[in-house]
Amino acid sequence: AQKVTQAQTEISVVEKEDVTLDCVYETRDTTYYLFWYKQPPSGELVFLIRRNSFDEQNEISGRYSWNFQKSTSSFNFTITASQVVDSAVYFCALSGFNKFYFGSGTKLNVKP
Amino acid sequence: EAGVTQSPTHLIKTRGQQATLRCSPISGHTSVYWYQQALGLGLQFLLWYDEGEERNRGNFPPRFSGRQFPNYSSELNVNALELEDSALYLCASSLILLQEQGGPQHFGDGTRLSIL
Repeated sequence: AQKVTQAQTEISVVEKEDVTLDCVYETRDTTYYLFWYKQPPSGELVFLIRRNSFDEQNEISGRYSWNFQKSTSSFNFTITASQVVDSAVYFCALSGFNKFYFGSGTKLNVKP
Repeated sequence: EAGVTQSPTHLIKTRGQQATLRCSPISGHTSVYWYQQALGLGLQFLLWYDEGEERNRGNFPPRFSGRQFPNYSSELNVNALELEDSALYLCASSLILLQEQGGPQHFGDGTRLSIL
C-alpha cells in the first residue's frame, strides 16, 4: 500500500530556530517521486521540491534543505533560521503510478 | 502566466443536492487533478483527467465524478451531497510528460463546499 505519514501535527518554534519536518512513506514501487508542498494561511499550495527514488542526494535551497533516505523511507525537510513567513502547513507527497498520496500535513507556527 | 483558476470560491448546498465545481488549468497543461481537503485531514486524491479521459481515481464513491473538456478545463460533480462532503476541493494541473517523470502540480485556490 502507498502511504505518507507526517507524524508531527503541529510544531511551534521561535524565529531563527531551526526546525525539521518529518515525512515517512511506504510504497512498493521501485520508481517513485517525493514532493514537499507549502500551504500558507492564504490557502494556495506551493510546490517546494521534487525528488525521484534514484536520487538520494540531499538538497539545499537557501534556508531549506531536504534529507532523503531510502533505507528508512524518509524524506525530511529542514528550515534553517526560521522566519515568521515560514508559518504554514507543509505537506509531503508521494507520486506512485498515476496517483498522488499526501501526508496529513504539519502545521508550522513560527513566532517572532 | 495565469495560474490554475477554480470557481466558485464558496458553494453552500444542502444534503441530497448536487454540486458542480469548475477548474481551468494553466495554459498548455493537459492534466487536471482533483483533491479533497477535509477539515483536520490531509489532501485526498480524487480524480485525474488527461486529454479528456479519466486516468485514475481515488477511494471515493461513484457519486464523485467529473469530466474534462476539449480545452482541458474540468468539472467535478458531487451528487447526493452528504454532510461529510464539506471540504476544500483543490484542483491542480500539470504537463502530462512531466507527470510521467513525477513533475510538480500547480494548484488553484480551491472551492470551499459547505453542506448544511
